[in-house]
Amino acid sequence: DTGVSQNPRHKITKRGQNVTFRCDPISEHNRLYWYRQTLGQGPEFLTYFQNEAQLEKSRLLSDRFSAERPKGSFSTLEIQRTEQGDSAMYLCASSLGGISNEKLFFGSGTQLSVL
Amino acid sequence: DAKTTQPPSMDCAEGRAANLPCNHSTISGNEYVYWYRQIHSQGPQYIIHGLKNNETNEMASLIITEDRKSSTLILPHATLRDTAVYYCIVRGAYSGAGSYQLTFGKGTKLSVIP
Repeated sequence: DTGVSQNPRHKITKRGQNVTFRCDPISEHNRLYWYRQTLGQGPEFLTYFQNEAQLEKSRLLSDRFSAERPKGSFSTLEIQRTEQGDSAMYLCASSLGGISNEKLFFGSGTQLSVL
Repeated sequence: DAKTTQPPSMDCAEGRAANLPCNHSTISGNEYVYWYRQIHSQGPQYIIHGLKNNETNEMASLIITEDRKSSTLILPHATLRDTAVYYCIVRGAYSGAGSYQLTFGKGTKLSVIP
């Protein structure tokens, strides 16, 4: 069990460019989550997958954001036409178990800076 | 999910118990209280959760009042490595839209002082 792995650790991009982040969850964890965190705030839910199915997306999530989890393993989060307001830490988490006992294991995040 | 209220910051002397309060006065019967913490530059880490009864694990104890409107997370012997932001989250154990989201507030920034 090597934990949740996120790559890259840091990403600097220019406004208007597309970026993609990768998350490798703990093996055999069937649920995978993406959260976003800005300075001084708690993490904000973006979306989650159960196996390969994307079951929920935040209503606040722009259509420039898309996430995939092919074959129910790793996941990617893509942001198209980045804006300065997209600058944040993007966190991935995975879990296993029923909702009453669920413990999320978070990665260390990808810090995005949009110039 | 019910909202929670936490003090923005607290200090604790190293080696002493840290008691972090959380108010959740609108909690309903099937909602659990979860605690996570976030050390600087890391993702949040699960600490403990409970429904009605007090809970204890290797990291902390969770004390939930009888009316369930508030709870306290106790770190029995705080160390410098416990300096972090601590989040109290209320979450329902039901299926349906929104059920798998965790709603984080701003949490309590705990500073453990040598």
